[in-house]
Amino acid sequence: AQSVAQPEDQVNVAEGNPLTVKCTYSVSGNPYLFWYVQYPNRGLQFLLKYITGDNLVKGSYGFEAEFNKSQTSFHLKKPSALVSDSALYFCAVRALIPSGAGSYQLTFGKGTKLSVIP
Amino acid sequence: EAGVAQSPRYKIIEKRQSVAFWCNPISGHATLYWYQQILGQGPKLLIQFQNNGVVDDSQLPKDRFSAERLKGVDSTLKIQPAKLEDSAVYLCASSSNNRISGNTIYFGEGSWLTVV
Repeated sequence: AQSVAQPEDQVNVAEGNPLTVKCTYSVSGNPYLFWYVQYPNRGLQFLLKYITGDNLVKGSYGFEAEFNKSQTSFHLKKPSALVSDSALYFCAVRALIPSGAGSYQLTFGKGTKLSVIP
Repeated sequence: EAGVAQSPRYKIIEKRQSVAFWCNPISGHATLYWYQQILGQGPKLLIQFQNNGVVDDSQLPKDRFSAERLKGVDSTLKIQPAKLEDSAVYLCASSSNNRISGNTIYFGEGSWLTVV
């Protein structure tokens, strides 16, 4: 079965510094990987995804993520953090549903709380 | 393009009462999902529809939860009777069957349930 691990419950970074939020995955076959962000009292917003091609994926709000097949990782990065980036970040992997109906679903990590300190 | 719409945004009920949440997906999206997000955890899939058929409900507590998607558009998730542990955010999401964009799932703002 597919799974996603986000090893850090919380990441603190000073404003203007680079940030990294870690994610590792386990899935059969080629991974389709996603990052979502959740602001307080809001739903999940799509940030970026890796399907195939270039290992460095660029997304919304200046975020990017690096796919590393040998390390089964998909870390989220940003060169210069903003206070407004403070939120919950979820990594997810897409895989076939167990029932074999041929459809896909997302499995999420438990989330990492990012706090950017002014 | 309008996003995924959900209502109500917030609901407080007593245990053993019932509650229903409504979702309207993005226009043209064939696949609709209901996720449960308990505080401090990642979202967990409850049920997935393809048009008006269920493709996965393996994690839906069927003794108290039910969901339907009549006509393949809007969907309703019902909990009856509610338990304290059902306090969570119920997220509706949708995706298209388009090969290029169909990999991305878009979420609504969520329905926040508190059971007291």
